[in-house]
Amino acid sequence: AQSVAQPEDQVNVAEGNPLTVKCTYSVSGNPYLFWYVQYPNRGLQFLLKYITGDNLVKGSYGFEAEFNKSQTSFHLKKPSALVSDSALYFCAVSGLYSSASKIIFGSGTRLSIRP
Amino acid sequence: GAVVSQHPSWVICKSGTSVKIECRSLDFQATTMFWYRQFPKQSLMLMATSNEGSKATYEQGVEKDKFLINHASLTLSTLTVTSAHPEDSSFYICSARDRDRGLYEQYFGPGTRLTVT
Repeated sequence: AQSVAQPEDQVNVAEGNPLTVKCTYSVSGNPYLFWYVQYPNRGLQFLLKYITGDNLVKGSYGFEAEFNKSQTSFHLKKPSALVSDSALYFCAVSGLYSSASKIIFGSGTRLSIRP
Repeated sequence: GAVVSQHPSWVICKSGTSVKIECRSLDFQATTMFWYRQFPKQSLMLMATSNEGSKATYEQGVEKDKFLINHASLTLSTLTVTSAHPEDSSFYICSARDRDRGLYEQYFGPGTRLTVT
């Protein structure tokens, strides 16, 4: 079974500082990995994905994530945080073993950027 | 492109009544749609997967007779919460897979907040 873990419920960062939101995954075979962001009472917005190729993936709003197969991690990063980055972030994984593969979400990490 | 809409965006209903939520793919054909449920400050829990023209596949623990899912066309799936109770109050989010963009891309709707009084 596939699963994804976000070990931090909340991450607090000062504006202008780099940020990291952690994610580890478990899946049979090669994974598809995603990051989504959710603002209050809104649906999910896609940030980035890893399917294959370069381990460093660049996405929307200056975010990037690094796929690390040996550590089964896919941490989200941004070099300089903005107050507007404050939101709920979800890591998600989908396996490649089925044409009907489902996306399974982590528990979410609330990112709070202080001015 | 790849826009998914949901209607209504929020609904309040009385206990014992049924409510229908629509999920539409506006600019693509979705052979598969997914329904998720999200409780406050929690993650999205997959409820069911619906394929156009066939019965939905429900996740373990989800009552199929209570959460009726219909995917009658390539652009529309509906979730009907039957005999709603206050514990059904939640944020319901759908997503759709675009068959022309690959098997693993999903596009999410803005969500529907259901409050059962």
